[in-house]
Amino acid sequence: GENVGLHLPTLSVQEGDNSIINCAYSNSASDYFIWYKQESGKGPQFIIDIRSNMDKRQGQRVTVLLNKTVKHLSLQIAATQPGDSAVYFCAENPSPRGNKLVFGAGTILRVKS
Amino acid sequence: EAGVTQSPTHLIKTRGQQATLRCSPISGHTSVYWYQQALGLGLQFLLWYDEGEERNRGNFPPRFSGRQFPNYSSELNVNALELEDSALYLCASSLREGSTEAFFGQGTRLTVV
Repeated sequence: GENVGLHLPTLSVQEGDNSIINCAYSNSASDYFIWYKQESGKGPQFIIDIRSNMDKRQGQRVTVLLNKTVKHLSLQIAATQPGDSAVYFCAENPSPRGNKLVFGAGTILRVKS
Repeated sequence: EAGVTQSPTHLIKTRGQQATLRCSPISGHTSVYWYQQALGLGLQFLLWYDEGEERNRGNFPPRFSGRQFPNYSSELNVNALELEDSALYLCASSLREGSTEAFFGQGTRLTVV
């Protein structure tokens, strides 16, 4: 399978600070991108998505930025809270049919109080 | 509305045995996806079923197989289990082929001893 042998990078931030989690995607034809949050013992939870015809999308406390030129995606979390501690995955959908999502390796976010 | 449900929550098998994992999608969702998440690693796409048919599979050996039933629930079967098959197996569903957002279940933790 893909991403075999990769271990997850960790981002540690102070409570109240802003967090930026980065992701590089692989397929320039991908037209849909999602950020998921996975807490320990749970399945991934949808956070925010963005289509390739946009370069920025904002949600509640979260912003996703898409740079198609360098195939880079970022998730910004404002005023990070302890409940934001989780593993964050970006995913791209390179298929025009269905959700054969290709996930990035993930980033562990640790929020220090 | 019930989310994606998976059973069992935990499964312990010995090497060489077969494992069967089950998934019930959100009501009205016709597409079901299976992902493998090895400990500390990202999600690897396994299989995609839609309308009872296998639409795509990831880079996994044939001993990983499954099916989708007329009620859109799905089974994942893993034959001739190997120690490396120990992982969290996640099921996701989406409204239909081509739909964007996929919702994940809590997963089945398979341990092969």
